[in-house]
Amino acid sequence: QSVLTQPPSVSGAPGQSVTLSCTGSSSNLGAGFDVHWYQHLPGTPPKLLIYLNNNRPSGVPDRFSASKSGASASLAITGLQPEDEGDYYCQSYDSSLSNWVFGGGTKLTVL
Amino acid sequence: EVQLVDSGGGLVQPGGSLRLSCAASGFIVSGTYMNWVRQAPGKGLEWVSVMYSAGTTSYADAVKGRFTISRDNSKNTVDLHMNSLRAGDTAVYYCARGGTHGGNFDLWGRGTQVTVSS
Repeated sequence: QSVLTQPPSVSGAPGQSVTLSCTGSSSNLGAGFDVHWYQHLPGTPPKLLIYLNNNRPSGVPDRFSASKSGASASLAITGLQPEDEGDYYCQSYDSSLSNWVFGGGTKLTVL
Repeated sequence: EVQLVDSGGGLVQPGGSLRLSCAASGFIVSGTYMNWVRQAPGKGLEWVSVMYSAGTTSYADAVKGRFTISRDNSKNTVDLHMNSLRAGDTAVYYCARGGTHGGNFDLWGRGTQVTVSS
């Protein structure tokens, strides 16, 4: 079991919107540690999608947005495109483990 | 071009050793914190180890005492020395650069496959 909990899968049709959740605890997100999101497409390395809760690196479309509140975070994707299909991971720091931790990942299927 | 090239993976027997290497270009590895992250078959991402710019290191509990991260400033590389390998260490290992905005990984290598099997 991952320290950060993500739903295993989510799906949506092209053009639709989806929201991916990430639930932590008092030793990570709830303790105020920032959350970051990664996109992992088949055959490619993971890519930083969102950093410091709600910031997009240069080149990431504004279709991707994120927020954090307490021990929970979410990633919203609007205007779904077939190329968005892949795995999405949240990541933070855990003070109990003294480690960086990832969520278990959510597989996004674009129907 | 700013990039990471990780290499050194392969097939090794349980109890064996392997050394992974991560070659950086376009930036200086000693100027940031460098990490190894792995993904076992059918599983999610798992942080493995970090070397900070000051030279201090940290490891996930699953590899502590068996893996050692090192840095060669002259070659601009970061290595992961893996000993006493187990089947559970089978994974794609990624080298990842620590982000300037703190606590994330902003540049990744393409990954190298490590398979531990008899």
